[in-house]
Amino acid sequence: DAGITQSPRHKVTETGTPVTLRCHQTENHRYMYWYRQDPGHGLRLIHYSYGVKDTDKGEVSDGYSVSRSKTEDFLLTLESATSSQTSVYFCATRGGLAQYFGPGTRLTVL
Amino acid sequence: QKEVEQNSGPLSVPEGAIASLNCTYSDRVSQSFFWYRQYSGKSPELIMSIYSNGDKEDGRFTAQLNKASQYVSLLIRDSQPSDSATYLCAVNSVGSGNTGKLIFGQGTTLQVKP
Repeated sequence: DAGITQSPRHKVTETGTPVTLRCHQTENHRYMYWYRQDPGHGLRLIHYSYGVKDTDKGEVSDGYSVSRSKTEDFLLTLESATSSQTSVYFCATRGGLAQYFGPGTRLTVL
Repeated sequence: QKEVEQNSGPLSVPEGAIASLNCTYSDRVSQSFFWYRQYSGKSPELIMSIYSNGDKEDGRFTAQLNKASQYVSLLIRDSQPSDSATYLCAVNSVGSGNTGKLIFGQGTTLQVKP
């Protein structure tokens, strides 16, 4: 267990509102990742970070932004939530060559 | 586009049998391969990693890698109802440098019937 927590665990919001999801890790891992998981699509990488203030896009980054001001925290922001962003969001960190996942956030956009 | 393919299943096996899960990948130069187990409503949990051709055993789990044929498999011996879950295959994304990015298959659902 890589000591990863995510908050909130569940959130319901309305279209057009901003939403921020938080990932916190206690392992001092350099690399962190945000994924979304949807039926029929599997896990898809949104953004990742390779250090404080160092981030890059994944395959489904449109509509999302990230920030990493401390090693332990990686924030995912939906600037203006849309119904297509209803999903389960997982944060992961890299330990060695593998990734370890947080418990996830279930986000519903009405 | 680099891909990882898995049969979505469900794969149904009786309790005590061997479950065989397969995964193929398209990037010939991939070096790192992982199996994750995901219970319904939970997050993926790493159960096996393999980096060299051949077999790697850990308890009831055996991962098999064949780089020439570009497939990796997971065998679960003496399957138990508690093994019922979705199993995700993941392969490192070679073109991404040292970012540790993984490409995930869509997963195979395993059902172990008592």
